[in-house]
Amino acid sequence: RKEVEQDPGPFNVPEGATVAFNCTYSNSASQSFFWYRQDCRKEPKLLMSVYSSGNEDGRFTAQLNRASQYISLLIRDSKLSDSATYLCVVNSPGTYKYIFGTGTRLKVLA
Amino acid sequence: DTEVTQTPKHLVMGMTNKKSLKCEQHMGHRAMYWYKQKAKKPPELMFVYSYEKLSINESVPSRFSPECPNSSLLNLHLHALQPEDSALYLCASSQRRDNNYGYTFGSGTRLTVV
Repeated sequence: RKEVEQDPGPFNVPEGATVAFNCTYSNSASQSFFWYRQDCRKEPKLLMSVYSSGNEDGRFTAQLNRASQYISLLIRDSKLSDSATYLCVVNSPGTYKYIFGTGTRLKVLA
Repeated sequence: DTEVTQTPKHLVMGMTNKKSLKCEQHMGHRAMYWYKQKAKKPPELMFVYSYEKLSINESVPSRFSPECPNSSLLNLHLHALQPEDSALYLCASSQRRDNNYGYTFGSGTRLTVV
């Protein structure tokens, strides 16, 4: 089993749609979880950290399910500008290492 | 200053050349990283420095040689690279391990080996 797994997509959705991505992780001791966004030929940028109680930032909602060891990202009212690859990142406990998922490609269509 | 600055942005080098990539941050982060990213793949960890000491080397070939001269600077020295080493090289920093702030990435150096 990979340490961090994501559905690579692509997810093609119309503008205004709601889309959700899941990410599973294998190390139950992991404590830090993030979603990054990466545009084509650019560096990854932190979209949001994921907290135990779940957290929201505008149209974006992140959830953590420790029992099932997955995190999710929900995007409401999708915009064309949301088209990107979304990377799930999980810490490797006791180290400075963070593990990346393979990324999920999202394309929002006009 | 909340940025990680990488230079150069683009680099073309021959297989016999020696070059260096540079990375700088002034956020007081004590961990700095080099990642390699090929097209349509996630970033792949190469090296981690914590408190200016090499703490992780992910079995990277010796033609890549990292250096951390001080807490703000990270270099990656390149020598005798192969065409398959062409990729986006990303530098990142973080406050400390197991933190809730994640990485801050630089904009990367796009390297082409000819």
